[in-house]
Amino acid sequence: DAGITQSPRHKVTETGTPVTLRCHQTENHRYMYWYRQDPGHGLRLIHYSYGVKDTDKGEVSDGYSVSRSKTEDFLLTLESATSSQTSVYFCAIRRQDSGSGNTIYFGEGSWLTVV
Amino acid sequence: KNQVEQSPQSLIILEGKNCTLQCNYTVSPFSNLRWYKQDTGRGPVSLTIMTFSENTKSNGRYTATLDADTKQSSLHITASQLSDSASYICVVSATNRSGYSTLTFGKGTMLLVSP
Repeated sequence: DAGITQSPRHKVTETGTPVTLRCHQTENHRYMYWYRQDPGHGLRLIHYSYGVKDTDKGEVSDGYSVSRSKTEDFLLTLESATSSQTSVYFCAIRRQDSGSGNTIYFGEGSWLTVV
Repeated sequence: KNQVEQSPQSLIILEGKNCTLQCNYTVSPFSNLRWYKQDTGRGPVSLTIMTFSENTKSNGRYTATLDADTKQSSLHITASQLSDSASYICVVSATNRSGYSTLTFGKGTMLLVSP
């Protein structure tokens, strides 16, 4: 358990509405990530953060923005949700484990349906 | 382009039987390879990590192997249990000379253990 909490866990929203997913961590990790997982694609990186107010794009960042105003919170925003953004979203942190190097720990996921 | 290919895509075995999952990768420069287990409706959880110099690593009934020459890894599950039913994801990390790391995810193998 890496102390990651995602909210909401499930959400149904209408096309064109803004949506914000929140990731909260309790262990003060520097690196945080947002991934989406879709059938046939596996996990794909949307955005990541390497510190407060320091963020960068991943491979599927179009249509998404992020913010990190505090170490513990990393927000993912869909400015105008589309049906193609129906997916499961995972937040993750990077933690240095003794003997194992850096390990990515995932949250429990947020299921988003855009109708 | 870095790629990770997993096989088979899905697998059904009887409880108590053994099975082996495969992962082939073309990731450079190779840093390490991890196997994750993802239960339905949950986030992925790290099972093992393999670095360049390691050939075999065990975690209970899970044994991972790595052949860095052929760029292949396998995950062997011994005496399968119903709780082993999950998706198993191979993740390969590449780290460049600047220390910047990227992860390449396989699409996963869905394992179903039948009573």
